[in-house]
Amino acid sequence: EPEVTQTPSHQVTQMGQEVILRCVPISNHLYFYWYRQILGQKVEFLVSFYNNEISEKSEIFDDQFSVERPDGSNFTLKIRSTKLEDSAMYFCASSEQGEGENGYTFGSGTRLTVV
Amino acid sequence: SQQGEEDPQALSIQEGENATMNCSYKTSINNLQWYRQNSGRGLVHLILIRSNEREKHSGRLRVTLDTSKKSSSLLITASRAADTASYFCATAPPSGSRLTFGEGTQLTVNP
Repeated sequence: EPEVTQTPSHQVTQMGQEVILRCVPISNHLYFYWYRQILGQKVEFLVSFYNNEISEKSEIFDDQFSVERPDGSNFTLKIRSTKLEDSAMYFCASSEQGEGENGYTFGSGTRLTVV
Repeated sequence: SQQGEEDPQALSIQEGENATMNCSYKTSINNLQWYRQNSGRGLVHLILIRSNEREKHSGRLRVTLDTSKKSSSLLITASRAADTASYFCATAPPSGSRLTFGEGTQLTVNP
């Protein structure tokens, strides 16, 4: 069964450093997403991406965050200057259709720890 | 307003019993989805029910949706120890792509 692949699985970074989280969505999917889950809390939407541009973003997705699809397979989330409160599990997801008519496929996540 | 609130927060049952989890939401939806998450792992899509559907089945899963009450339930029949996980409902709005997740129900199935 096709999978969404995320790397790395764990990342520890110092406060103020830049991090790039990487994702390889399912190849025939057109819509891509990032979500995050702070330990013990809800899964929160960050951003959706379609046709090489952001289609929707949440209040969390401020100027410190950016997304990119640098080639035909990768989808990245960059945090420019990490803060302690950015520590969370970050999930990438993809879907065939924009409203997730067939559901979303999530990756296994990257656990980001900011120290 | 908070969207996608599940109850109970935690449920512990014996293998073979049925497990029912409920989800309430506040705004209009295009569809409602249920996901499962094993501890420290990713989210696995279980089932999607559209706003014009009332009930849907998939294997041992049965989902109902009552749009007048803005609520949904997930029933897992004949539970197994391997069903132990957190279960989340997530709503998709009428337009746009953002999913709004609930707090989740932690299900423990004891062998």
